[in-house]
Amino acid sequence: RKEVEQDPGPFNVPEGATVAFNCTYSNSASQSFFWYRQDCRKEPKLLMSVYSSGNEDGRFTAQLNRASQYISLLIRDSKLSDSATYLCVAYAPNGFGSNYQLIWGAGTKLIIKP
Amino acid sequence: NAGVTQTPKFQVLKTGQSMTLQCAQDMNHEYMSWYRQDPGMGLRLIHYSVGAGITDQGEVPNGYNVSRSTTEDFPLRLLSAAPSQTSVYFCASSYSTPGTVYEQYFGPGTRLTVT
Repeated sequence: RKEVEQDPGPFNVPEGATVAFNCTYSNSASQSFFWYRQDCRKEPKLLMSVYSSGNEDGRFTAQLNRASQYISLLIRDSKLSDSATYLCVAYAPNGFGSNYQLIWGAGTKLIIKP
Repeated sequence: NAGVTQTPKFQVLKTGQSMTLQCAQDMNHEYMSWYRQDPGMGLRLIHYSVGAGITDQGEVPNGYNVSRSTTEDFPLRLLSAAPSQTSVYFCASSYSTPGTVYEQYFGPGTRLTVT
């Protein structure tokens, strides 16, 4: 089982719609979570951190559910420019002593259609 | 600020050849790391460094070496290239505090093909 798992998609969504996708993590000791955005053939860039109380940044809302071990990303009023791959990241123990490292999901591809 | 720069952007190697991927950052970040990204898989950590003179192995270190002689530079060396090392390589940097993770800033990546 992958430590951080995402639906690879693609999610094909009409412009203006709301889309949500989840990411599950296997290690309950994971401390922090993030969403990164990666455009085609580009480097990942931080979209937002995910706080226990949830957080919102404009059209984007991130939630954390520790009981069920998943995080979610909701995009409202989607734009063509939102088309990208969204990477879920957990800061979790790496299995070697007490060291933590970033564990990356493989990403969910989102395509916004006009 | 240039941020994180990587060279080359593309490289084709023959099996058995060696080469060095260059990475530099101008943000005075203590933490630097190398990842590889393969289709259908998340970014996997190869090596990382928490400061000049300090390096450590990540999840997939075999076949790669690193050094960190300055804060700015963190080159990745492929010792004897194999087709399994065909991938996209990203260098990243961030601030560093024990027990805290910060935003990772990535370079544009190096697309490596080993034939």
